[in-house]
Amino acid sequence: GAGVSQSPRYKVAKRGQDVALRCDPISGHVSLFWYQQALGQGPEFLTYFQNEAQLDKSGLPSDRFFAERPEGSVSTLKIQRTQQEDSAVYLCASSRNWDRDGYTFGSGTRLTVV
Amino acid sequence: AQTVTQSQPEMSVQEAETVTLSCTYDTSESNYYLFWYKQPPSRQMILVIRQEAYKQQNATENRFSVNFQKAAKSFSLKISDSQLGDTAMYFCAFIYGGATNKLIFGTGTLLAVQP
Repeated sequence: GAGVSQSPRYKVAKRGQDVALRCDPISGHVSLFWYQQALGQGPEFLTYFQNEAQLDKSGLPSDRFFAERPEGSVSTLKIQRTQQEDSAVYLCASSRNWDRDGYTFGSGTRLTVV
Repeated sequence: AQTVTQSQPEMSVQEAETVTLSCTYDTSESNYYLFWYKQPPSRQMILVIRQEAYKQQNATENRFSVNFQKAAKSFSLKISDSQLGDTAMYFCAFIYGGATNKLIFGTGTLLAVQP
């Protein structure tokens, strides 16, 4: 596609519910990142994929967070047993050659846990 | 640890005027990349300008330019002839390479351009 597509754009979850957030990167982009952006803050790194391999998951805040990219294209970020502190915007970014082209971001999913 | 600091939570500027947003960073790496991203209410991060640390010449992109002071670890963004469409959150960010090449962001500066 022309850009990075994320869905849903908004998600309201009850505390304890599981959610799945989808990222569809630009075709051919090898690198894919997930970021968490709390209200009024800068994005914080969650995890990184190179093709289907998850090379860095050091930013995932707990074992309730899980990400996958099984075929090296679409990625899903799953949050189990959501808590109020999980409320944030979740941004996805992708790149082919980051040092030449930079990263392209999606518009994010705003998750609100009530 | 690599950190990025933006000390101005909010800034305001009159249309057509010039404004400078500040950013400092901390790293022990010698080769890295610096970025300014714009985030309008649509939430999509848009790349404004980038600077390679090994380049001494300051980057410019139309009305946007940077003042990169490597020794001081400072990377400020100057917006000339401000336009209403420049109203947004601006984030300074940094990549130092390594296995992940992840962006490390500052906390942002909310810029309001007044008519």
